Amino acid sequence: ETGVTQSPTHLIKTRGQQVTLRCSSQSGHNTVSWYQQALGQGPQFIFQYYREEENGRGNFPPRFSGLQFPNYSSELNVNALELDDSALYLCASSRGRTDTQYFGPGTRLTVL
Amino acid sequence: GENVEQHPSTLSVQEGDSAVIKCTYSDSASNYFPWYKQELGKGPQLIIDIRSNVGEKKDQRIAVTLNKTAKHFSLHITETQPEDSAVYFCAASMARDDKIIFGKGTRLHILP
Repeated sequence: ETGVTQSPTHLIKTRGQQVTLRCSSQSGHNTVSWYQQALGQGPQFIFQYYREEENGRGNFPPRFSGLQFPNYSSELNVNALELDDSALYLCASSRGRTDTQYFGPGTRLTVL
Repeated sequence: GENVEQHPSTLSVQEGDSAVIKCTYSDSASNYFPWYKQELGKGPQLIIDIRSNVGEKKDQRIAVTLNKTAKHFSLHITETQPEDSAVYFCAASMARDDKIIFGKGTRLHILP
């Protein structure tokens, strides 16, 4: 059974650009959640996808959007990047509404 | 919304001694309390969790206690080892698969 994987591992963008981050959920998992972790802070919930539908959203602006595909992999898209978007972006997958969330290694995004 | 406070932010203990990390939460509706360990360059790894109908849970050298009335929960690590050095996060959630609200983390140093 493979764990949660994310790509790319590192990414550098400039302010105003757009970025897409990818997450492959653990085998058998149909729920993916995305978190933003600023340096020295705990992760903050962005949104969750369950069976391809958004299933809850944290306090992030609409320029943060996502998708979940039929194979339950997921994308996080961020438009109009700002310097404060620099962070580690984590995804977590779970088997469904009663299972524990397991985190991937994250994508480190730097916005210059 | 839920708010999780975590103390201390940094903790140094001699190898073999015990370490205790304390957290408080604000939303009485929270009923799932996971603890994560994050090593450098990795995503958070679940090490133990407790539900609100249980006051204490133990797994080898790790134990968690929960006081739902006072909205306090704690992580206890006994017989600490060098590999215990990491950042530890407490968290609270309505359910295992719901959004997780993290504390700001405790950096634990195990001294030789």
